[in-house]
Amino acid sequence: NAGVTQTPKFQVLKTGQSMTLQCAQDMNHNSMYWYRQDPGMGLRLIYYSASEGTTDKGEVPNGYNVSRLNKREFSLRLESAAPSQTSVYFCAREPQDRATNEKLFFGSGTQLSVL
Amino acid sequence: ELKVEQNPLFLSMQEGKNYTIYCNYSTTSDRLYWYRQDPGKSLESLFVLLSNGAVKQEGRLMASLDTKARLSTLHITAAVHDLSATYFCAVYPKSGNTPLVFGKGTRLSVIA
Repeated sequence: NAGVTQTPKFQVLKTGQSMTLQCAQDMNHNSMYWYRQDPGMGLRLIYYSASEGTTDKGEVPNGYNVSRLNKREFSLRLESAAPSQTSVYFCAREPQDRATNEKLFFGSGTQLSVL
Repeated sequence: ELKVEQNPLFLSMQEGKNYTIYCNYSTTSDRLYWYRQDPGKSLESLFVLLSNGAVKQEGRLMASLDTKARLSTLHITAAVHDLSATYFCAVYPKSGNTPLVFGKGTRLSVIA
């Protein structure tokens, strides 16, 4: 999934620990997203960023914070992890122009387990 | 608020058979995407449908968009085992700059 790089790929946390998921794009596009994927729930939007320095809440933002300090990077932070945050997390970058045949491009995902 | 519904959510089909997955959405849109996800993998883009009546085909998969009915279909022709995966549709609302909204996905199993 060159184009969007997520780290780490796997992580196990204890309840109450904190961590940051990193995401970087290589295309300098404006919009980036964080989704979580749980069985039977599809992809649910946590936060998104329409441009550098701006962020907005998605469908399931509670328990998360994000940071978009520059155009390239969009990080997701869990301040105090809970078992309910066990999930697979995907970062994505949006096409620069939605009216084109470009599509939302996903990173390879981070599998997070909170014990 | 845009809602995207897929059906069926689970589909088991025999090799060689045809079937259609449906994607309905609740508000006006003219941009719809289909993605495929293999177990343990990320999402891979299949089709981008950008206008009413758009039809795209690749191999045994064909996708279409009817913006008046707010419906997209993903048709599978003569299914083979390699098509086993989860398929997602996703829609942008026509107005505003709001993010893509995904359906819950259709888990397809193709059996011999």
